[in-house]
Amino acid sequence: QSALTQPASVSGSPGQSITISCTGTSRDVGSYNLVSWYQQHPGKAPKLMIYEVTKRPSGVSNRFSASKSGNTASLTISGLQTEDEADYYCCSYARSSWVFGGGTKLTVL
Amino acid sequence: QVQLVESGGGVVQPGRSLRLSCAASGFTFDTYPMHWVRQAPGKGLEWVAVISYDGATHYHADSVRGRFSISRDNSKNTLSLQMDGLRAEDSALYYCAKPRDTLILDAIDFWGQGTLVTVAS
Repeated sequence: QSALTQPASVSGSPGQSITISCTGTSRDVGSYNLVSWYQQHPGKAPKLMIYEVTKRPSGVSNRFSASKSGNTASLTISGLQTEDEADYYCCSYARSSWVFGGGTKLTVL
Repeated sequence: QVQLVESGGGVVQPGRSLRLSCAASGFTFDTYPMHWVRQAPGKGLEWVAVISYDGATHYHADSVRGRFSISRDNSKNTLSLQMDGLRAEDSALYYCAKPRDTLILDAIDFWGQGTLVTVAS
């Protein structure tokens, strides 16, 4: 159950697009279409942004999209807004367990 | 509306035990699996345990297996986490969390506000 690998930080300007990667193994990301992404603002509980690799829950902006190729999943945020500044975590099912990424701090410059 | 209210956190010495509880409301508790997820101060999220809707199936992270035990009481809409043999590295905010649908594989879509556990001598 090793943590998925995410970049520690990414940044972008308002209106730009950014992509956060999430690298796992054939035992987790690579084997299941059960990757989810969470947004967490300081002092707040996480919020589900993406589930089952590409699906957006009701109420989540379509500026958020995601994909997966092999052992790596990716979250793309287009048209960056200041309120997107937060920590982002990926999560994958891994055969009777779940594993999170280490988290990526998104700074909107 | 869905509510998850954790309790039972506090300061405890290494090696001692603590029992966390989560009171659930606003949804049909006995049809949903439930999770515990923790977050050490300033650190990332770590999945801890999951239990099926009926309590018959449960899985624990390697880091807590044999020391922590997840359980539920559907008659009281309560989720619990018994934590024994606590270590300093167990210090974290512990979240009770509900998946978006009733399958055990469904993604978590609702979190409580957490209860803080500090293990220190």
